[in-house]
Amino acid sequence: DVVMTQSPLSLPVTLGQPASISCRSSQSLVYSDGNTYLAWFQQRPGQSPRRLIYKVSNRDSGVPDRFSGSGSGTDFTLKISRVEAEDVGVYYCMQGTVWITFGQGTRLEIK
Amino acid sequence: EVQLVESGGGLVQPGGSLRLSCAASGFIFSAYEMNWVRQAPGKRPEWVSYVSTSGDTRYYADSVKGRFTISRDNAENSIYLQMNSLRAEDTAVYYCARDQGAAGTDFDYWGQGTLVTVSS
Repeated sequence: DVVMTQSPLSLPVTLGQPASISCRSSQSLVYSDGNTYLAWFQQRPGQSPRRLIYKVSNRDSGVPDRFSGSGSGTDFTLKISRVEAEDVGVYYCMQGTVWITFGQGTRLEIK
Repeated sequence: EVQLVESGGGLVQPGGSLRLSCAASGFIFSAYEMNWVRQAPGKRPEWVSYVSTSGDTRYYADSVKGRFTISRDNAENSIYLQMNSLRAEDTAVYYCARDQGAAGTDFDYWGQGTLVTVSS
């Protein structure tokens, strides 16, 4: 299985400040079609996961532009330029290149 | 608007069975591959099963292989998960998730989930 490792697991952030979450995979996520199937999900308390970013850096419709994704190969990052109160929740990375596996999750809270 | 609505969860004893349903609307259901993903309390999501657009191809996680069966009915815009020989470790919220349709796997929409609790 491809192991996805996120850090940090807990992320206290002051409102208006930036935040960054790292996700590393145990092997390259480049698929045979040349794409990298790495996505980021936000899960607010009591809700189902919502996709924010797909194929590393593509923002989903309706997702604020303060969210951005970057990376390649085995090393990926989700950045929030200015954290707002509605961003509280758990963030997961997910790879869909070799079956499907998720990271452990990063809990973002307001400091 | 894409909607996925799961149902069928509940409390079941170890060794028992349950059938989950996921009703889809707002898109051409027969054109999309579909999946079940579960999430135990306080844990990361775990992929459970996949079904192709026609229903002919199905895949399962090792943890459920031989006990769970996925199916779909394109006329009813629904997928199903028949769960047999349930164990305590199957306790989770079960989500259906649409695959965006690229070569790799990418879940673009999830339902609200249905809770399955396996306990005596």
